[in-house]
Amino acid sequence: DARVTQTPRHKVTEMGQEVTMRCQPILGHNTVFWYRQTMMQGLELLAYFRNRAPLDDSGMPKDRFSAEMPDATLATLKIQPSEPRDSAVYFCASGSPSGHRGEKLFFGSGTQLSVL
Amino acid sequence: KQEVTQIPAALSVPEGENLVLNCSFTDSAIYNLQWFRQDPGKGLTSLLLIQSSQREQTSGRLNASLDKSSGRSTLYIAASQPGDSATYLCAAFLGGGSNYKLTFGKGTLLTVNP
Repeated sequence: DARVTQTPRHKVTEMGQEVTMRCQPILGHNTVFWYRQTMMQGLELLAYFRNRAPLDDSGMPKDRFSAEMPDATLATLKIQPSEPRDSAVYFCASGSPSGHRGEKLFFGSGTQLSVL
Repeated sequence: KQEVTQIPAALSVPEGENLVLNCSFTDSAIYNLQWFRQDPGKGLTSLLLIQSSQREQTSGRLNASLDKSSGRSTLYIAASQPGDSATYLCAAFLGGGSNYKLTFGKGTLLTVNP
């Protein structure tokens, strides 16, 4: 059963520490999205990639956040240094391989991040 | 700014009732609209996807419609069950050229009471 895998599921860290979240998209999917979910803001798009190339990261605070796809099976989202306001659930999603805009997305279970 | 709005924010109904969830979007350049379900502490599960060339999609007791001209979509749930209790989110692929993105509404929290 193909699924998007995110690690870790939970992360508690102290302010100022580096946090790295990982995502394994569904094999064959060529689009990867990173979202952040909070009670106040809902789901916010941070960045997305198509064929491993970053297409849009305008939703991401550039000074502390970075997103990469080292290869087709791994996407990473890094926060350095982390701050308490970064506490949220971070979701990764990958798109079905239509190669067309507006593909159906499949979400991972998320990483619950708490920055103390 | 591209926006997606969902009304109501919360809805509570007795079991067996038919119900409608509403979603509106500001950009007429829509490529598709998706409805998702999210259970507490879980990720999102895609329910229905409507391409911009389509008017509606059906899956079991769920029916979603899309009206691009008015910027609206509805999710109809027939004969609701307690297991339908969850947050329902709509998301629209909006934009033009290479600047398109999937924008989410804040969701409708549905409670179906036995």
